[in-house]
Amino acid sequence: QLQLQESGPGLVKPSETLSLTCSVSGASMISTTYYWGWIRQPPGKGLEWIGSIYYTGSTYYNPSLRSRITMSADTSKKKFTLNVRSVTAADTAVYYCARQVLLLLDGYNHLDYWGQGTLVMVSS
Amino acid sequence: QSVLTQPPSASGTPGQRVTISCSGSSSNIGTNTVNWYQHLPGTAPKLLIYGNNQRPSGVPDRFSGSKSGTSASLAISGLQSEDEADYYCASWDDSLHGVFGGGTKLTVL
Repeated sequence: QLQLQESGPGLVKPSETLSLTCSVSGASMISTTYYWGWIRQPPGKGLEWIGSIYYTGSTYYNPSLRSRITMSADTSKKKFTLNVRSVTAADTAVYYCARQVLLLLDGYNHLDYWGQGTLVMVSS
Repeated sequence: QSVLTQPPSASGTPGQRVTISCSGSSSNIGTNTVNWYQHLPGTAPKLLIYGNNQRPSGVPDRFSGSKSGTSASLAISGLQSEDEADYYCASWDDSLHGVFGGGTKLTVL
């Protein structure tokens, strides 16, 4: 059974870089069907799609965050990471990693497995 | 401001049928499929409907999805107390990024 687990610091100072890692177990990251994604939920607000990465390193990013984020993947370690630069209080959120089915020609774009989420607070 | 528009709240009594709407545009729902997620506080969101109307294994057939033009709907029949949760619609945009609705809080009265 596929499992995803987020890890990273729970507290980040304003203007610094937020770095999170998602560990994948129960399946290989190498697949022509799946991307590996990040989603966040600020306190009291809805879900926001951040971006997704293919095992080759190809990425799709949320246009509103593109200038500040970088995603990478290490298939040998079965981990993928998210970096958010120059964070502010608005980046405080529960961050989820998930597996994304992206078969756009077939019309599929859903997130089928999710991690439990990790709360990251941005505060001095 | 979310890209997809959902009503902030919905409610129903046990056994009732409720629907939640999701409105988008020609660049997202109009050309891509819609997914629905159920989210209970403190837990991971759960995929409820994908590809407009398909249910993953284990999701009861009380949940159904539909799409028409640039709008979609989630219907829950035979409402149960455990259905009380936040529901999110999501899709893909032709400018190559995912989009979510703002979420609908469902209350079972």
